[in-house]
Amino acid sequence: EPEVTQTPSHQVTQMGQEVILRCVPISNHLYFYWYRQILGQKVEFLVSFYNNEISEKSEIFDDQFSVERPDGSNFTLKIRSTKLEDSAMYFCASGRQGGTGELFFGEGSRLTVL
Amino acid sequence: AQSVTQLGSHVSVSEGALVLLRCNYSSSVPPYLFWYVQYPNQGLQLLLKYTTGATLVKGINGFEAEFKKSETSFHLTKPSAHMSDAAEYFCAVSNTGGFKTIFGAGTRLFVKA
Repeated sequence: EPEVTQTPSHQVTQMGQEVILRCVPISNHLYFYWYRQILGQKVEFLVSFYNNEISEKSEIFDDQFSVERPDGSNFTLKIRSTKLEDSAMYFCASGRQGGTGELFFGEGSRLTVL
Repeated sequence: AQSVTQLGSHVSVSEGALVLLRCNYSSSVPPYLFWYVQYPNQGLQLLLKYTTGATLVKGINGFEAEFKKSETSFHLTKPSAHMSDAAEYFCAVSNTGGFKTIFGAGTRLFVKA
């Protein structure tokens, strides 16, 4: 069964460093998302991506964040200069439809900023 | 703006008892509503969804939910809890033409033997 895969599963970085989280969505999906979950808290929407551009983004998704689909299969989230409060589990998701459809989530990338 | 409120961050039931997890939504347009489940160290997976049509929606693992527009609710139920149901459950809302799904804060379900 097709699944969303994410790498790395866990990354530890120093404050101020750049981090890239990678995702391979399900191949026939058109909509891509990043969510984050700070330990014990809610799953927060960061950004959605469709037709090679950002469709919608949240207030969390500031200039420090960027997304890219460089080669038609990978979908990346870059954090330019990490802060302590960026420590969280980051989930990639993909879907066939827009807001009406099921999201398929990866297992997440845990980011720890020291 | 859309939002969901899940009443109760933790719910504990005995094995075999009724499970009721509450969700209320806010939406200025007809909503699409979802319940997702998250097992430890895993991503979220869809339990069930309401888009249009029948207001009682059946999902996987014996769960069901009823869309009540008058109460702006979408509560999740299961007649008889199983130990394997212990997990975190998230209610979510989106709308047609939208590009994001908004999740509630989650309810952790504990099942006692």
